Amino acid sequence: GDSVTQMEGPVTLSEEAFLTINCTYTATGYPSLFWYVQYPGEGLQLLLKATKADDKGSNKGFEATYRKETTSFHLEKGSVQVSDSAVYFCALWNNAGNMLTFGGGTRLMVKP
Amino acid sequence: NAGVTQTPKFRVLKTGQSMTLLCAQDMNHEYMYWYRQDPGMGLRLIHYSVGEGTTAKGEVPDGYNVSRLKKQNFLLGLESAAPSQTSVYFCASSKAFQASHTFGSGTRLTVV
Repeated sequence: GDSVTQMEGPVTLSEEAFLTINCTYTATGYPSLFWYVQYPGEGLQLLLKATKADDKGSNKGFEATYRKETTSFHLEKGSVQVSDSAVYFCALWNNAGNMLTFGGGTRLMVKP
Repeated sequence: NAGVTQTPKFRVLKTGQSMTLLCAQDMNHEYMYWYRQDPGMGLRLIHYSVGEGTTAKGEVPDGYNVSRLKKQNFLLGLESAAPSQTSVYFCASSKAFQASHTFGSGTRLTVV
């Protein structure tokens, strides 16, 4: 079945540092890929998405590129802020499975 | 615009008790979902609905039942709660089946 693997956290960075959160997936066919963010005490919010190979999703300074050859969708941000502290989830939608499959989540902590 | 509203936000149950979690959305979305979130496991789909009067099983449906009598509401029932059902439950909705989800803020359920 489909699966998503994320790097384990927590990831602790200083403000203005560069962020990378790794995400790799296993799926048949051509899934759509998503990053969701969960702030403390809240539900998940869509951060960005990509629906086909080589697409780049971007939002709020975050970017991720759909790499079919490496089955990856790594999340990056050039300069993190304290307000970016949250849990980040990578997910895929596969039409064959009719469901979103989530990774385990990566907690990011940004210190001033 | 409230989006997706879940009630209650917190609940403690004794083993064997029953309860219903309510999800309401005001975006006229066709599709609704119930997930559970457990540490390190991301979100797992319990049940979903593709429209009023329809429901389907997700990845972890055992011990839960659902109903979608009205388009805007999706109820999750636990008939006989077990400690293994201690979790955070999230409801979500989407405009199309593979479109991005809008999540509620969650219900933290503890079964003792």
